[in-house]
Amino acid sequence: AQSVAQPEDQVNVAEGNPLTVKCTYSVSGNPYLFWYVQYPNRGLQFLLKYITGDNLVKGSYGFEAEFNKSQTSFHLKKPSALVSDSALYFCAVRASGYSSASKIIFGSGTRLSIRP
Amino acid sequence: GAGVSQSPRYKVTKRGQDVALRCDPISGHVSLYWYRQALGQGPEFLTYFNYEAQQDKSGLPNDRFSAERPEGSISTLTIQRTEQRDSAMYRCASSQVQVGDTGELFFGEGSRLTVL
Repeated sequence: AQSVAQPEDQVNVAEGNPLTVKCTYSVSGNPYLFWYVQYPNRGLQFLLKYITGDNLVKGSYGFEAEFNKSQTSFHLKKPSALVSDSALYFCAVRASGYSSASKIIFGSGTRLSIRP
Repeated sequence: GAGVSQSPRYKVTKRGQDVALRCDPISGHVSLYWYRQALGQGPEFLTYFNYEAQQDKSGLPNDRFSAERPEGSISTLTIQRTEQRDSAMYRCASSQVQVGDTGELFFGEGSRLTVL
């Protein structure tokens, strides 16, 4: 069965500094990986995804994520944090293919707090 | 429609009552997912459909929970004989393509269920 782990409940970063939000996964076969962001009292919004190809994928709002197969990780990064990046971030995974295990599973979330 | 629409946005019910939560996906979207999300936690997979076919219902907690999507568009999640532990935010998401093609999910604002 597939699973996602976000080891940090909260990440605190000063504005202008780089940020990293960690994610590790477990899935049979090749993974499809996603990051979503949730602002207070809102639904989840898609940020970026990794399907195949380059290990570094770029997404919305200047975010990027690096796929590392050997470490089964897909960490979210941004070179320079903004106060407006403060939100709840979710990593998600699904197995490739059309099997019944193709459901998308989300991690428990990491609260990102950017201080001015 | 412009986005995924869920109704009701808020539902308060008494223990033992049945509730029906509705999801109207983005027009033309093939896949539809239901998730349950506790405050500050990640979305917990319940079930998903491709067109009208329910592909996976392994996340439904017990037989009081059921979902349907009879015409491949609007979906209803029904909870019978509600219990206090069913209180949560129920989120619907849709995708333009089938799960195997890994389209991004578009989430609705959710239906917050409170069981007294």
